[in-house]
Order: sequence, then C-alpha cells, then structure tokens
Amino acid sequence: DAGVTQSPTHLIKTRGQQVTLRCSPKSGHDTVSWYQQALGQGPQFIFQYYEEEERQRGNFPDRFSGHQFPNYSSELNVNALLLGDSALYLCASSLARRGHGVEQFFGPGTRLTVL
Amino acid sequence: ELKVEQNPLFLSMQEGKNYTIYCNYSTTSDRLYWYRQDPGKSLESLFVLLSNGAVKQEGRLMASLDTKARLSTLHITAAVHDLSATYFCAVDANNAGNMLTFGGGTRLMVKP
Repeated sequence: DAGVTQSPTHLIKTRGQQVTLRCSPKSGHDTVSWYQQALGQGPQFIFQYYEEEERQRGNFPDRFSGHQFPNYSSELNVNALLLGDSALYLCASSLARRGHGVEQFFGPGTRLTVL
Repeated sequence: ELKVEQNPLFLSMQEGKNYTIYCNYSTTSDRLYWYRQDPGKSLESLFVLLSNGAVKQEGRLMASLDTKARLSTLHITAAVHDLSATYFCAVDANNAGNMLTFGGGTRLMVKP
C-alpha cells in the first residue's frame, strides 16, 4: 500500500519564476492538504482540497494556488517566487469523515530552494 | 488566531532519564496530534488525541490531553538514543479535520 508520494524531491528556482509541485495521496484517501515548513520551524497550513475544490485556506498570498484532480492527486503552484518561499513543502492526505478525528499522513516533501 | 506553543524548544537528556514535553494552545479544541520528524525527513504520526482526558502510549512515549487546560503532554520514559528527533504537536482548531496549526517543535537529543 503506497503512502503519500510527492515529486520532485528537490527543486532549485530563481526569483520570479513559477513552480509546480505534485502530490499523490495515500490509497483510499480523498483529501489533500499542503503545508510549508521553513527551516527550523513547524509546518504552516497553506490550503486543503476536497472534491476538487479548495475547502480551507491558510494565511498565504494568492501567488499560492492549487488544484485537485478526479483521482484525488493534487498540485501546488507558486508564482513569482521570492527568496522567502524557500522551504520544505509537505503534502498530507486524509479521509474526510464527519464526527471523527482526521489523521493526516504526510509525504516525504519537496525541498524548494529559490536563488 | 490559534497559537500553539511547545516547551522546551530544545531538550538534551541522558539515556535512561524521563522527561515531559508540553504543548499549550490558545483556543478550544479537542483534537490534538503529535508528530515526529527526523532531520531532513517528513512527519511521522505518533498519536491522535480526540477527547478530554485521552491518554495514549506507544513504547517509551505517552501522550495525554487536557482540553480544559488546553494542554497536551508527551512524556518520555527511560529515553534511548533512537528517540532523538524533533517532536511537533498540532491542533485542529476547527475540529473539522482540515487545518492543523503546529507548534514550533521540540528538538530532543538523547545522549548515551
């Protein structure tokens, strides 16, 4: 049973460029969340996708956008990259269930470096 | 705005010793999660705490939740080197399973 997978593993971009990160959720999961983790800090919630729509969004600018496909996989797009966007980007998948604790399972992450 | 604070931020301890990591949060929630992160790696789920008074144990780690005090603890018993990692608590403020707010992490180093 494959867990959460992310691609690419590492990425180097320059300021002003655009980047797309990809995530495939754990088998059976229908919800994908994206987090940004700067070095030495805890992850920060970017947004969550469920049923191909953005269900919740954290305090991130519109330069950060996403998409969820019918097979539940997801993409995170960041436009006009800034040096401060350098971070580990984590994808987490879960199964939406009312009235239950929803455990999120994290992928290995994509390390983005902006020069 | 929900704030989640962990202390200590850094913990160096000898093998065989006991210690507790504290996680305080600022708003009502009865869903709290503990994760472990090794250097350069992703987050590994340790515990899911879903109600006041919840206690869970796995090996040398035990987590508890007091929703009235807005406090969770992660207790380490007889630490071993393999427990060296960064530990994060995360709170689901909406109780809806969509947005986790993480603490800053506790970096644990267990020395032989």
